Amino acid sequence: GAGVSQSPSNKVTEKGKDVELRCDPISGHTALYWYRQSLGQGLEFLIYFQGNSAPDKSGLPSDRFSAERTGGSVSTLTIQRTQQEDSAVYLCASSLVAGEQFFGPGTRLTVL
Amino acid sequence: AQSVTQLDSHVSVSEGTPVLLRCNYSSSYSPSLFWYVQHPNKGLQLLLKYTSAATLVKGINGFEAEFKKSETSFHLTKPSAHMSDAAEYFCVVSAILYGGSQGNLIFGKGTKLSVKP
Repeated sequence: GAGVSQSPSNKVTEKGKDVELRCDPISGHTALYWYRQSLGQGLEFLIYFQGNSAPDKSGLPSDRFSAERTGGSVSTLTIQRTQQEDSAVYLCASSLVAGEQFFGPGTRLTVL
Repeated sequence: AQSVTQLDSHVSVSEGTPVLLRCNYSSSYSPSLFWYVQHPNKGLQLLLKYTSAATLVKGINGFEAEFKKSETSFHLTKPSAHMSDAAEYFCVVSAILYGGSQGNLIFGKGTKLSVKP
């Protein structure tokens, strides 16, 4: 059906608040990825879900970041106690196993 | 570990002239390499991918890239630039997970392409 969707498209929050970013992958895609695109760091991998396997969290920058994927479909990225350096565009991608990754439009997070 | 280096942060060409965006890779394994494009305020789009089938890979919008193992390069080219090609281009390698399967993508820093009329 439709491509990868993400919500919200823009989020402005105050330092110290928690935020939740949502990703709806393409139906049937078993793999889901979160990336972050920021001015200073470019595009960085955050976390990877594949089917029912334990997620690869090796890219998460701190323990304030977490993600879950419910029912093998929708994923939520949570950032606790946001800091100004968390300001970035958060991108979600999905794929079939070892297939092309399709990217969503991203959520632009601004931490004031 | 896998990594990619894009040699130019910004390339400027005139419309109708050739485009060359340079990328070198480092990989312990036979790599899967990609070029993605990101137009202003748009999502990332796959231009082309190399997965060891053929060293010259053709992509969308007239772009192609050649995998050169001896030079560890995967440069992106287009014979004639169009105004609509102005965008940021990312050279990407796929991480190889334990067991040999592909994992997350590892992005280069990006090359911003400007096209002058």
